[in-house]
Amino acid sequence: DGGITQSPKYLFRKEGQNVTLSCEQNLNHDAMYWYRQDPGQGLRLIYYSQIVNDFQKGDIAEGYSVSREKKESFPLTVTSAQKNPTAFYLCASSIRGTGFEKLFFGSGTQLSVL
Amino acid sequence: AQTVTQSQPEMSVQEAETVTLSCTYDTSESDYYLFWYKQPPSRQMILVIRQEAYKQQNATENRFSVNFQKAAKSFSLKISDSQLGDAAMYFCAYRSAMAGANSKLTFGKGITLSVRP
Repeated sequence: DGGITQSPKYLFRKEGQNVTLSCEQNLNHDAMYWYRQDPGQGLRLIYYSQIVNDFQKGDIAEGYSVSREKKESFPLTVTSAQKNPTAFYLCASSIRGTGFEKLFFGSGTQLSVL
Repeated sequence: AQTVTQSQPEMSVQEAETVTLSCTYDTSESDYYLFWYKQPPSRQMILVIRQEAYKQQNATENRFSVNFQKAAKSFSLKISDSQLGDAAMYFCAYRSAMAGANSKLTFGKGITLSVRP
């Protein structure tokens, strides 16, 4: 079945540690996105990529990094510079040609700080 | 910048009754898309319904329908014949229709809907 797979489901980070969240899609979608969800805050865009080897910062990119070496994969690294990383992270994708207006979401990763 | 406001943090509805969730947005653009997403306890985001701003007709999807008031910048979701499975968090979202725009959705803060049996 086609879809978006995020792993792991739960992740714990120690102080000063970088961690990487995985996002893979087999929908052949062009664009991929990372959103952060905090309680009472809704979803905020971290980074997005419309094409391989290209990505743009979203509204809250500081302390995060991404890569887009393959169309299917868009990993997110939460660096030690992100001082408040505890949140629920959602990856999404969309297809070119219709204005990218419909997003398909993964099941998310809950990141917590030890 | 566009903003999306969901002013009601929580709502409750009796099973089989109808409930309306409110959403307002602010934009200077004339062409855009509006969405309602559902996030059940599993936390998977599910698209409920979408509306193109250039269409005057309100979108409907089975028990879900919207009341789109472009001049008032209002986009409410009506859930008819509420079911226990409708209990979730609902997010209103906006996206510009401009080609090459940021390709991002702007979300409201969400509303938690509970359904009473």
